[in-house]
Amino acid sequence: EPEVTQTPSHQVTQMGQEVILRCVPISNHLYFYWYRQILGQKVEFLVSFYNNEISEKSEIFDDQFSVERPDGSNFTLKIRSTKLEDSAMYFCASSEGIGRLNTEAFFGQGTRLTVV
Amino acid sequence: DAKTTQPPSMDCAEGRAANLPCNHSTISGNEYVYWYRQIHSQGPQYIIHGLKNNETNEMASLIITEDRKSSTLILPHATLRDTAVYYCIVSLSGSARQLTFGSGTQLTVLP
Repeated sequence: EPEVTQTPSHQVTQMGQEVILRCVPISNHLYFYWYRQILGQKVEFLVSFYNNEISEKSEIFDDQFSVERPDGSNFTLKIRSTKLEDSAMYFCASSEGIGRLNTEAFFGQGTRLTVV
Repeated sequence: DAKTTQPPSMDCAEGRAANLPCNHSTISGNEYVYWYRQIHSQGPQYIIHGLKNNETNEMASLIITEDRKSSTLILPHATLRDTAVYYCIVSLSGSARQLTFGSGTQLTVLP
């Protein structure tokens, strides 16, 4: 069964450092998303991406965050200067979209980001 | 998107049906009801979705009331591996729509 894969599974970084989280969405999917979940809290939407541009973003997704699809398979989330409060589990997701208005989103297993 | 209300926790005996309720009294006509679950801190997993008709797939059944103000997710034969947080989400049509996760229901399947 196709799946969304995320690397690394766990990343530790120092405050102020840049970090890139990587995702390989399901190959025929056209919509890509990032969500995050701070420990013990709700899963929060960050951004959606379609046709090489951001479709929607939440208030959390400020100038410190950026997304990119650098090639035909990867989808990345960059945090420019990490803060302690960026420590969370980051989930990538993808959905099929075109031709089917209500398709489910498939989530990866997440990257646990720890900022120290 | 319309808000949803779910009980914070439920228990179910292994092998029995688990019925998870959700209220979404402010749902609008073009909003779908989605169910996802999250096992321990893994990525959310899609279960099922529907608009107004009842739906069934290999994982679960979704019963939506006629006025669409509430729904019930049914896991027909719960197993220990079904222990998870279950999220009921109401979302507009369109794949680019964000999903707004609430607190969900912690379902514990007991041996």
